[in-house]
Amino acid sequence: GENVEQHPSTLSVQEGDSAVIKCTYSDSASNYFPWYKQELGKRPQLIIDIRSNVGEKKDQRIAVTLNKTAKHFSLHITETQPEDSAVYFCAAIIIQGAQKLVFGQGTRLTINP
Amino acid sequence: DVKVTQSSRYLVKRTGEKVFLECVQDMDHENMFWYRQDPGLGLRLIYFSYDVKMKEKGDIPEGYSVSREKKERFSLILESASTNQTSMYLCASSLGQANYEQYFGPGTRLTVT
Repeated sequence: GENVEQHPSTLSVQEGDSAVIKCTYSDSASNYFPWYKQELGKRPQLIIDIRSNVGEKKDQRIAVTLNKTAKHFSLHITETQPEDSAVYFCAAIIIQGAQKLVFGQGTRLTINP
Repeated sequence: DVKVTQSSRYLVKRTGEKVFLECVQDMDHENMFWYRQDPGLGLRLIYFSYDVKMKEKGDIPEGYSVSREKKERFSLILESASTNQTSMYLCASSLGQANYEQYFGPGTRLTVT
């Protein structure tokens, strides 16, 4: 079955710097890759997603890149701000049968002022 | 706005008790999911449902069962609670039919003593 590995597990950056979180997946049939942000005490929320027919997608300070050949995708946050501090989860879709997501282990991102 | 609600934010139960966690969504979503969230392990899928009365096992179904009698409601049942089921439980729903985004509930922190 699908397996999603996420690195690093913790990441600390200075405010204003960039942060990059990386994920790899195992099932070459996966074609949808979302990123969720979970602030302390709150529910996970989708912040950006990418489908396999594009290599990059950007939304203001957030971007996601996908390399289907290497089976990895990354989240890039530029000009980090204190409100970016959260746990970030990547995921990949399993499309055989019913649709379900397989999540990575999560990255705790801390933005230092 | 999609709203996913869970019956309790915090729950304390004794070992051996039967526990019911309820989830309700108000957007006529086809798919509903139950996850367990533990530090360092990400979001692990317990069970999911893609239609009324339909269910499928996720990655960690042992010790759990589910019920979906109405489209908007998905219940997670711990038949005989054990201390290793102490965790945060998150419910989610998605529209289905290639709309993969999952909307999460606020979570239930269950403590089994």
